[in-house]
Amino acid sequence: DIVMTQSPATLSVSPGERATLSCRANQSISSNLAWYQQKPGLGPRLLIYDASTRATGVAARVSGSRSGTDFTLTISSLQSEDFALYYCQQYNNWPWTFGQGTRVEVK
Amino acid sequence: DVQLVESGGGLVQPGGSLRLSCTASGFTLSTYWMHWVRQHPGKGLEWVSRMNGDGSPTRYADSVKGRFIISSDNAKNTLYLQMNSLRGEDTAVYYCARGYYGSGVFDSWGQGTLVIVSS
Repeated sequence: DIVMTQSPATLSVSPGERATLSCRANQSISSNLAWYQQKPGLGPRLLIYDASTRATGVAARVSGSRSGTDFTLTISSLQSEDFALYYCQQYNNWPWTFGQGTRVEVK
Repeated sequence: DVQLVESGGGLVQPGGSLRLSCTASGFTLSTYWMHWVRQHPGKGLEWVSRMNGDGSPTRYADSVKGRFIISSDNAKNTLYLQMNSLRGEDTAVYYCARGYYGSGVFDSWGQGTLVIVSS
């Protein structure tokens, strides 16, 4: 199975600041990567797919990028609704696998 | 609006069975790939199973293969997960999710239903 490694586990950021979340695959997954946001008690919400395409309704301050097997989710200016858990997921190889998550908390 | 509502979770003894349901609204379930994804307490996400309405083979994670069965009732626009021979490691919140245009991207999720396997 492809292993997805997210870093850091927890990111402490002040409102209005930039947040940069990382996700690394242990083998090539092309650009078949998605990012999800999860808040307590709710199912995940799709933010980004194909590494850099924003899902419908996602704010423009959220962006994704790829460099080889390294992927980045950037939130340019954190709003209160952005403090949450974030997961990356590869869908290049079966079984599809998720990273262990990065929690973005208020500094 | 697209909505997915799971139900059927609860407490079950090891070796027991449970059937989860996911009722869809705002779209026709049979025209999409539909998935079950689970989240162990305080842990990350694990894809469990998928099916779609075009007759493509269903797929399962190795951890549930031979014990879980995914199915649907198109008249009720409802997805099911029959879980047999349950183990402690099956304890998790189970989500149904819609696949985005046949890809491995999950574009809509339910709120989840909790399954606890314990004696």
